[in-house]
Amino acid sequence: DAMVIQNPRYQVTQFGKPVTLSCSQTLNHNVMYWYQQKSSQAPKLLFHYYDKDFNNEADTPDNFQSRRPNTSFCFLDIRSPGLGDAAMYLCATSRAQVGAGETQYFGPGTRLLVL
Amino acid sequence: GQQLNQSPQSMFIQEGEDVSMNCTSSSIFNTWLWYKQDPGEGPVLLIALYKAGELTSNGRLTAQFGITRKDSFLNISASIPSDVGIYFCAGRQETSGSRLTFGEGTQLTVNP
Repeated sequence: DAMVIQNPRYQVTQFGKPVTLSCSQTLNHNVMYWYQQKSSQAPKLLFHYYDKDFNNEADTPDNFQSRRPNTSFCFLDIRSPGLGDAAMYLCATSRAQVGAGETQYFGPGTRLLVL
Repeated sequence: GQQLNQSPQSMFIQEGEDVSMNCTSSSIFNTWLWYKQDPGEGPVLLIALYKAGELTSNGRLTAQFGITRKDSFLNISASIPSDVGIYFCAGRQETSGSRLTFGEGTQLTVNP
């Protein structure tokens, strides 16, 4: 089945130690997103790639970076994790469409714990 | 940025009851999406709506795209324990590119 895959599902890192989360998709969608979700809150968009074009949200800290080496893979790099970065990180994909009709599909998420 | 007002924030119901939740905004949206999220998992798409007035069902779930394009509702009929979770509405505006605006979620608890 076509899907969005996130690895690992759980990640423990130390304060200040760089960490990378990965996302892959078999949907062949051209848009990939990274969201941060804290407990009982709505997902918050960090950035997204429209094909190879990177779109950063204005309030995303510089500590968060992303790479998309090809259509299928996208990575979230947290350069120096702080305690406040502990959260669920969600990857999503969509096939860009003009007007209505664009739907985002989410992966299962990676729960990040910062010690 | 634009906000979606989702209500109710939480619901406690008995198994077998029907449930209704909605999202409203002061802005026009051209896509409405409803997701369900279980603890420790990513949101799962339930229903997607693309046209004003559209009424779409998915099993016991029914959702409608408001005629004014500023609201949407989700109904769940004959609730069962596995309906427990957080339900999010999300909307996409013409001017927001691929970005979605999310509601704050409705936490549903179903008592057997």
